[in-house]
Amino acid sequence: QKEVEQDPGPLSVPEGAIVSLNCTYSNSAFQYFMWYRQYSRKGPELLMYTYSSGNKEDGRFTAQVDKSSKYISLFIRDSQPSDSATYLCAMSVAGNQFYFGTGTSLTVIP
Amino acid sequence: EPEVTQTPSHQVTQMGQEVILRCVPISNHLYFYWYRQILGQKVEFLVSFYNNEISEKSEIFDDQFSVERPDGSNFTLKIRSTKLEDSAMYFCASSERGDRGRDYGYTFGSGTRLTVV
Repeated sequence: QKEVEQDPGPLSVPEGAIVSLNCTYSNSAFQYFMWYRQYSRKGPELLMYTYSSGNKEDGRFTAQVDKSSKYISLFIRDSQPSDSATYLCAMSVAGNQFYFGTGTSLTVIP
Repeated sequence: EPEVTQTPSHQVTQMGQEVILRCVPISNHLYFYWYRQILGQKVEFLVSFYNNEISEKSEIFDDQFSVERPDGSNFTLKIRSTKLEDSAMYFCASSERGDRGRDYGYTFGSGTRLTVV
Protein backbone atom coordinates (compact mmCIF):
# COMPACT_ATOMS: atom_id res chain seq x y z
CA GLN A 1 0.00 0.00 0.00
CA LYS A 2 1.66 3.23 -1.12
CA GLU A 3 -0.65 5.86 0.36
CA VAL A 4 2.25 7.52 2.16
CA GLU A 5 5.85 7.49 1.00
CA GLN A 6 8.78 8.36 3.23
CA ASP A 7 12.49 7.94 2.62
CA PRO A 8 13.71 5.52 5.31
CA GLY A 9 17.20 7.01 5.39
CA PRO A 10 19.27 6.55 7.43
CA LEU A 11 20.08 10.21 7.80
CA SER A 12 23.15 11.30 9.73
CA VAL A 13 23.89 14.95 10.53
CA PRO A 14 26.28 16.85 12.80
CA GLU A 15 24.96 18.49 15.93
CA GLY A 16 23.53 21.93 15.22
CA ALA A 17 22.52 21.13 11.64
CA ILE A 18 19.09 21.82 10.19
CA VAL A 19 17.28 18.58 9.40
CA SER A 20 14.62 18.28 6.74
CA LEU A 21 12.30 15.26 6.74
CA ASN A 22 9.67 14.73 4.08
CA CYS A 23 6.70 12.62 3.09
CA THR A 24 4.60 12.48 -0.03
CA TYR A 25 1.13 11.06 -0.32
CA SER A 26 -1.37 10.12 -2.96
CA ASN A 27 -4.75 10.59 -1.28
CA SER A 28 -5.92 14.17 -1.80
CA ALA A 29 -8.60 13.66 0.87
CA PHE A 30 -6.05 13.63 3.70
CA GLN A 31 -6.67 16.56 6.01
CA TYR A 32 -4.86 15.71 9.23
CA PHE A 33 -1.08 15.53 9.17
CA MET A 34 1.16 14.51 12.00
CA TRP A 35 4.78 13.88 12.78
CA TYR A 36 5.76 11.33 15.39
CA ARG A 37 9.11 10.53 16.93
CA GLN A 38 9.85 6.94 17.88
CA TYR A 39 12.76 5.85 20.02
CA SER A 40 13.92 2.26 19.92
CA ARG A 41 11.49 -0.12 21.63
CA LYS A 42 9.04 2.69 22.38
CA GLY A 43 5.71 3.80 20.98
CA PRO A 44 5.45 6.77 18.63
CA GLU A 45 5.32 10.14 20.38
CA LEU A 46 3.37 12.99 18.81
CA LEU A 47 5.59 15.94 17.83
CA MET A 48 3.49 18.08 15.54
CA TYR A 49 -0.03 18.17 14.25
CA THR A 50 -1.34 20.23 11.34
CA TYR A 51 -4.84 20.45 9.99
CA SER A 52 -5.07 21.12 6.25
CA SER A 53 -2.35 23.26 4.65
CA GLY A 54 0.10 25.66 6.19
CA ASN A 55 2.98 25.89 8.59
CA LYS A 56 3.21 25.27 12.28
CA GLU A 57 6.14 26.02 14.54
CA ASP A 58 6.91 24.62 17.99
CA GLY A 59 10.31 25.45 19.40
CA ARG A 60 12.97 23.95 17.15
CA PHE A 61 10.39 22.08 15.07
CA THR A 62 8.47 23.39 12.05
CA ALA A 63 5.90 21.39 10.15
CA GLN A 64 4.79 22.35 6.65
CA VAL A 65 1.94 20.97 4.59
CA ASP A 66 1.59 21.63 0.88
CA LYS A 67 -1.65 19.98 -0.18
CA SER A 68 -1.30 21.11 -3.79
CA SER A 69 1.91 19.08 -4.08
CA LYS A 70 0.80 16.38 -1.63
CA TYR A 71 3.97 16.96 0.30
CA ILE A 72 4.68 17.48 3.98
CA SER A 73 7.89 18.38 5.74
CA LEU A 74 9.33 18.53 9.22
CA PHE A 75 12.29 20.81 9.90
CA ILE A 76 14.43 20.49 13.00
CA ARG A 77 16.66 23.46 13.78
CA ASP A 78 19.80 23.26 15.89
CA SER A 79 19.60 19.48 15.97
CA GLN A 80 20.71 17.73 19.14
CA PRO A 81 21.97 14.20 19.79
CA SER A 82 18.74 13.64 21.74
CA ASP A 83 16.85 14.14 18.46
CA SER A 84 18.31 10.85 17.23
CA ALA A 85 15.27 8.66 16.60
CA THR A 86 12.97 7.46 13.86
CA TYR A 87 10.55 10.10 12.60
CA LEU A 88 7.19 8.96 11.28
CA CYS A 89 4.75 10.99 9.27
CA ALA A 90 1.08 10.08 9.58
CA MET A 91 -2.06 11.37 7.93
CA SER A 92 -5.77 10.85 7.97
CA VAL A 93 -8.91 11.77 6.11
CA ALA A 94 -11.31 12.13 9.00
CA GLY A 95 -9.07 11.79 12.00
CA ASN A 96 -9.86 8.18 12.78
CA GLN A 97 -7.67 5.81 10.81
CA PHE A 98 -4.14 7.07 10.30
CA TYR A 99 -1.75 6.06 7.55
CA PHE A 100 1.91 6.07 8.49
CA GLY A 101 5.07 6.41 6.49
CA THR A 102 7.84 3.89 6.96
CA GLY A 103 9.79 6.31 9.14
CA THR A 104 13.15 8.02 8.63
CA SER A 105 15.99 7.05 10.92
CA LEU A 106 17.92 10.11 12.08
CA THR A 107 21.26 10.20 13.90
CA VAL A 108 22.64 13.48 15.19
CA ILE A 109 26.39 13.20 15.77
CA PRO A 110 27.85 15.21 18.67
CA GLU B 1 2.12 13.31 32.08
CA PRO B 2 -0.70 10.80 31.40
CA GLU B 3 0.39 7.58 29.74
CA VAL B 4 -1.09 4.69 27.86
CA THR B 5 0.08 1.52 29.57
CA GLN B 6 0.48 -1.79 27.78
CA THR B 7 1.12 -5.22 29.21
CA PRO B 8 3.00 -7.44 28.76
CA SER B 9 5.94 -5.74 27.10
CA HIS B 10 6.92 -8.98 25.39
CA GLN B 11 4.93 -12.15 24.84
CA VAL B 12 6.03 -15.36 23.20
CA THR B 13 3.33 -17.78 22.14
CA GLN B 14 3.04 -20.95 20.11
CA MET B 15 1.32 -20.89 16.76
CA GLY B 16 -2.36 -21.63 17.13
CA GLN B 17 -2.59 -20.32 20.69
CA GLU B 18 -4.81 -17.46 21.79
CA VAL B 19 -3.23 -14.29 23.11
CA ILE B 20 -4.71 -11.27 24.84
CA LEU B 21 -2.85 -7.99 24.76
CA ARG B 22 -3.84 -5.48 27.39
CA CYS B 23 -3.93 -1.72 27.44
CA VAL B 24 -4.95 0.95 29.90
CA PRO B 25 -5.77 4.11 27.94
CA ILE B 26 -5.60 7.62 29.35
CA SER B 27 -8.51 7.99 31.69
CA ASN B 28 -10.40 10.85 30.04
CA HIS B 29 -9.88 9.64 26.49
CA LEU B 30 -12.85 8.33 24.57
CA TYR B 31 -11.34 6.79 21.45
CA PHE B 32 -9.14 3.72 21.50
CA TYR B 33 -7.04 2.10 18.82
CA TRP B 34 -4.80 -0.82 18.05
CA TYR B 35 -1.97 -0.57 15.55
CA ARG B 36 0.76 -3.01 14.73
CA GLN B 37 4.27 -2.70 13.34
CA ILE B 38 5.93 -5.69 11.77
CA LEU B 39 9.69 -5.41 12.09
CA GLY B 40 11.05 -3.05 9.45
CA GLN B 41 7.61 -2.16 8.13
CA LYS B 42 5.07 0.63 8.56
CA VAL B 43 2.85 1.16 11.53
CA GLU B 44 -0.51 -0.25 10.37
CA PHE B 45 -3.99 0.52 11.60
CA LEU B 46 -5.97 -2.40 12.96
CA VAL B 47 -9.08 -1.08 14.66
CA SER B 48 -10.67 1.91 16.37
CA PHE B 49 -13.18 1.69 19.19
CA TYR B 50 -15.63 4.24 20.54
CA ASN B 51 -18.66 4.06 22.75
CA ASN B 52 -18.17 0.33 23.32
CA GLU B 53 -18.13 -0.65 19.71
CA ILE B 54 -15.79 -0.88 16.77
CA SER B 55 -15.98 2.29 14.70
CA GLU B 56 -13.53 1.33 11.98
CA LYS B 57 -11.30 -1.64 11.15
CA SER B 58 -8.77 -2.51 8.50
CA GLU B 59 -8.46 -5.57 6.28
CA ILE B 60 -5.89 -6.94 8.70
CA PHE B 61 -8.49 -7.11 11.47
CA ASP B 62 -10.18 -10.34 10.39
CA ASP B 63 -12.27 -12.83 12.37
CA GLN B 64 -9.21 -13.94 14.33
CA PHE B 65 -9.05 -10.55 16.03
CA SER B 66 -11.40 -9.05 18.57
CA VAL B 67 -11.35 -6.10 20.93
CA GLU B 68 -13.07 -5.53 24.20
CA ARG B 69 -13.35 -2.94 26.91
CA PRO B 70 -14.26 -5.25 29.78
CA ASP B 71 -14.34 -2.53 32.41
CA GLY B 72 -13.87 1.21 32.73
CA SER B 73 -10.13 1.15 32.32
CA ASN B 74 -8.85 -1.78 30.24
CA PHE B 75 -8.90 -2.19 26.48
CA THR B 76 -7.86 -5.57 25.11
CA LEU B 77 -6.91 -7.09 21.78
CA LYS B 78 -7.44 -10.82 21.40
CA ILE B 79 -5.96 -12.97 18.68
CA ARG B 80 -7.76 -16.31 18.71
CA SER B 81 -5.36 -18.56 16.84
CA THR B 82 -2.01 -16.93 16.31
CA LYS B 83 -0.03 -17.33 13.11
CA LEU B 84 3.65 -16.79 12.52
CA GLU B 85 2.85 -13.63 10.55
CA ASP B 86 1.14 -12.13 13.59
CA SER B 87 4.58 -11.56 15.08
CA ALA B 88 4.85 -7.80 15.43
CA MET B 89 4.88 -4.90 17.83
CA TYR B 90 1.31 -4.09 18.83
CA PHE B 91 0.59 -0.54 19.90
CA CYS B 92 -2.44 0.65 21.75
CA ALA B 93 -3.38 4.31 21.47
CA SER B 94 -6.06 6.60 22.79
CA SER B 95 -7.25 10.06 21.89
CA GLU B 96 -9.56 12.80 23.01
CA ARG B 97 -11.22 14.35 20.03
CA GLY B 98 -10.69 18.04 19.80
CA ASP B 99 -11.69 20.83 17.50
CA ARG B 100 -9.40 22.36 14.93
CA GLY B 101 -7.88 24.73 17.40
CA ARG B 102 -6.47 22.04 19.64
CA ASP B 103 -3.70 19.53 19.27
CA TYR B 104 -4.99 16.35 17.78
CA GLY B 105 -3.30 13.04 17.78
CA TYR B 106 -2.99 9.82 19.54
CA THR B 107 -1.04 8.97 22.62
CA PHE B 108 0.62 5.64 22.03
CA GLY B 109 1.66 3.06 24.56
CA SER B 110 5.13 1.54 24.48
CA GLY B 111 3.85 -1.55 22.74
CA THR B 112 3.74 -5.30 23.25
CA ARG B 113 6.20 -7.30 21.23
CA LEU B 114 4.41 -10.48 20.18
CA THR B 115 6.54 -13.35 18.98
CA VAL B 116 4.76 -16.37 17.53
CA VAL B 117 6.90 -19.49 17.32
